[in-house]
Amino acid sequence: QVQLQESGPGLVKPSGTLSLTCAVSGGSISSSNWWSWVRQPPGKGLEWIGEIYHSGSTNYNPSLKSRVTISVDKSKNQFSLKLSSVTAADTAVYYCARDLEGVVAAYNWFDPWGQGTLVTVSS
Amino acid sequence: DIQMTQSPSSLSASVGDRVTITCRASQSISSYLNWYQQKPGKAPKLLIYAASSLQSGVPSRFSGSGSGTDFTLTISSLQPEDFATYYCQQSYSTPPVFGQGTKLEIK
Repeated sequence: QVQLQESGPGLVKPSGTLSLTCAVSGGSISSSNWWSWVRQPPGKGLEWIGEIYHSGSTNYNPSLKSRVTISVDKSKNQFSLKLSSVTAADTAVYYCARDLEGVVAAYNWFDPWGQGTLVTVSS
Repeated sequence: DIQMTQSPSSLSASVGDRVTITCRASQSISSYLNWYQQKPGKAPKLLIYAASSLQSGVPSRFSGSGSGTDFTLTISSLQPEDFATYYCQQSYSTPPVFGQGTKLEIK
C-alpha cells in the first residue's frame, strides 16, 4: 500500500525558508490522487497547508498562500513544500498525506499520512 | 472558513464504556465530514469518512453519524488502544478545516 515519508531540516532560522520533501512509495504520484501538506504546532490542532496534483496544479490555504509553494517531481515520485519568511509560529510537526480527489471535491479525505517531521524555527 | 467545534475537549472513560464525541459545523456541510484518531507522537489515522463510512481495517466498534451541522463519533465499547485524540474534519469547502480535537483519557 502507499506509504509516505517526510524529510528535511529540523531547524530553520527566523525569516528563512522551510523546505520539506515527501517521498511516496508503494504507488505512483501520478495516480488520480492529490497530495497534501498538513501541520500541527506542538500540543495544538491540525492545519491544512495545501495540495498538488501530478500535473502541477495546486491549491493552497488562503491563510498561508502568500508564503507557500508546493511542487512535484514525478521522476522521483515525491513532492515538496517550501514555506518562506518563517517565524516561531511556524514551528510544528509537518505531515504529508494523500487526499483522495483534492479539496475542491467535497468527498475528500486524507489517507494515508506520513509519520511527520518536526520543524523548529529558532535562531 | 467553516469552523468546526468538537465537544467535549477532553473525556475520561473506562474500558468497556460507550463513548460519544460531538462535532458541530458553523454551517451546513451535508455529510462531508471525516474523523481521525491520533495517538501521541503518531500521525492521524482515518477512521470514518463521509460522516458514516468506516475506513477499511477500522474496528466496527467505531461508528459515525450525522448530517448538516451536527455529527457524532461513537465508540461502542472502549478498548485500551482507543485512548487517543480524535479530530473531525470538514471537506465541504476549501480550505478543509479540522476540529480542535477531543482527548480521550483513561478513567
